Amino acid sequence: DAKTTQPTSMDCAEGRAANLPCNHSTISGNEYVYWYRQIHSQGPQYIIHGLKNNETNEMASLIITEDRKSSTLILPHATLRDTAVYYCIVKQETSGSRLTFGEGTQLTVNP
Amino acid sequence: GAVVSQHPSWVICKSGTSVKIECRSLDFQATTMFWYRQFPKQSLMLMATSNEGSKATYEQGVEKDKFLINHASLTLSTLTVTSAHPEDSSFYICSALPRDPFFEQYFGPGTRLTVT
Repeated sequence: DAKTTQPTSMDCAEGRAANLPCNHSTISGNEYVYWYRQIHSQGPQYIIHGLKNNETNEMASLIITEDRKSSTLILPHATLRDTAVYYCIVKQETSGSRLTFGEGTQLTVNP
Repeated sequence: GAVVSQHPSWVICKSGTSVKIECRSLDFQATTMFWYRQFPKQSLMLMATSNEGSKATYEQGVEKDKFLINHASLTLSTLTVTSAHPEDSSFYICSALPRDPFFEQYFGPGTRLTVT
């Protein structure tokens, strides 16, 4: 699986959009971009994933650049409960393939 | 949504004893379950992959005789830490991959193990 690079930490004001970047310059054609988050002392939570088109669900939007070498997770209206470590993971979308967690980005939403 | 539970949520045991952690998929069947370990201020590290009815596959550096994994049914996997030592104190998290054609792993809430 391709390696990802994320900033160590980010801050965001409550109610504003949080934009979390991820670089994955070695991504291959059959690899998807997945985002998970982990609130302190809890198990990770799936957020969203995509291949090359932008994706949106009830939690977030995923913007993938045309060359697929980077992506941005957008939380449109961040709340205090969105404070967590966000992990960007690249992997093939095949059933059973494991997730390799990097260091992620610690997002702190401030009141 | 798919729910994965872990029991216990936290446990304290004495050095040299064994402790079993259960991981259950509550509303779906999982042919594959994963076990992760997370030390404070670090990321999740995959320990092993277990498939129902077969032996678990352990990651390099993980002692299979110390961390016994049993995936006896499509809804239950157990991790037994044998002869626990203080350095085994960690946050243990399981995840389950649904049998149906979904591709997202669902994670349990984690088990905090403290070995005294």
